[in-house]
Amino acid sequence: EIVLTQSPGTLSLSPGERATLSCRASQSVSSSYLAWYQQKPGQAPRLLIYGASSRATGIPDRFSGSGSGTDFTLTISRLEPEDFAVYYCQQYGSSPETFGQGTKVEIK
Amino acid sequence: EVQLLESGGGLVQPGGSLRLSCAASGFTFSSYAMSWVRQAPGKGLEWVSAISGSGGSTYYADSVKGRFTISRDNSKNTLYLQMNSLRAEDTAVYYCAKKRKNIVLMVYIDYWGQGTLVTVSS
Repeated sequence: EIVLTQSPGTLSLSPGERATLSCRASQSVSSSYLAWYQQKPGQAPRLLIYGASSRATGIPDRFSGSGSGTDFTLTISRLEPEDFAVYYCQQYGSSPETFGQGTKVEIK
Repeated sequence: EVQLLESGGGLVQPGGSLRLSCAASGFTFSSYAMSWVRQAPGKGLEWVSAISGSGGSTYYADSVKGRFTISRDNSKNTLYLQMNSLRAEDTAVYYCAKKRKNIVLMVYIDYWGQGTLVTVSS
């Protein structure tokens, strides 16, 4: 099973700042089968990024994903008030699919 | 518009059973694989089970294998999760989720339902 470790656990930033979230895998994620999801309190997760770097439909271009192998990054170029949430990475390249433990982006 | 509506959650005693349903609309249900993902209170996401579009291939997390059964009725556009021998650690919000293609492996989830809460307690 591939273990995903996200860092930091919590990121305290102000609106307008840049957010950089990390997701590290215990072994290589094949063909960059890595996704990022956003979850707000009381809501279901929402797909942001798939294939490590492809934005899902309707996702603003301030969200970008990068990385390959074992190291992946989600970047939010300029935080908007609605971006404060928990972010999860997920690998779907091997079974079982696994999620990281999440990074909370909170208002500083 | 894709809609996924879960139902069937509730309070059940340890060792009991529950069947979750997920009514799908807004897409050709039989053309897409589906998954169940759960989230314990205040915790992260855990993949539980998945099924191909035809229902011919099913997958389970080790934590539920032998106790949970995923199935689908493509004529009713409905996904199911039969949960037996429930334990306290199965307490979670259970999300129904749609995969991007007909197959399970190497395909991401693109839509999620709002979830249904299952509480296992005496």
